[in-house]
Amino acid sequence: DAGITQSPRHKVTETGTPVTLRCHQTENHRYMYWYRQDPGHGLRLIHYSYGVKDTDKGEVSDGYSVSRSKTEDFLLTLESATSSQTSVYFCATGQVGGRAYNEQFFGPGTRLTVL
Amino acid sequence: SQQGEEDPQALSIQEGENATMNCSYKTSINNLQWYRQNSGRGLVHLILIRSNEREKHSGRLRVTLDTSKKSSSLLITASRAADTASYFCATGFQKLVFGTGTRLLVSP
Repeated sequence: DAGITQSPRHKVTETGTPVTLRCHQTENHRYMYWYRQDPGHGLRLIHYSYGVKDTDKGEVSDGYSVSRSKTEDFLLTLESATSSQTSVYFCATGQVGGRAYNEQFFGPGTRLTVL
Repeated sequence: SQQGEEDPQALSIQEGENATMNCSYKTSINNLQWYRQNSGRGLVHLILIRSNEREKHSGRLRVTLDTSKKSSSLLITASRAADTASYFCATGFQKLVFGTGTRLLVSP
């Protein structure tokens, strides 16, 4: 995952505060994804992007928004954090179609705790 | 809801033994992927099998796919302690849907 970085790697915040997580890629991949990982649920897709300024919702998008103003950056915002959003957040990138199929490449994760 | 469900949820074996994990999915697919996640790290792609393939090999990994049963299996032969990780199957195209994973522990 050398080409995908996430910041911050750890964050503790209080209920009701806004939080922004950043994903940065150097792979020039078109697709970018935000997942959350919780015990017993595996990975669940929050939002994804299929190009600059093109985003769509995933399975668990309520309470989250995203933005992608450049190919390399994908931001995930929790407008007003709640304790249920305590989780580990993973960013992933990929190319879809052609010989690349749809393998995804993951960042190292951000552990978010909402008190 | 999860598209893939792995079985077993946890597996504990000795080094040198084979480890088999199974994945069942619900809808038709064009390919199925397996990923590995070491503790505290992101997922790493292992292998992809297309819907028109029945078996695929990569090093010590063997993946089978049975579209009539909507199931796949991942076999790791001659397991090593370094294979200790969680393993996930994933289906989909633009958006992947992951199963809940199998936790594999390989003891020396």
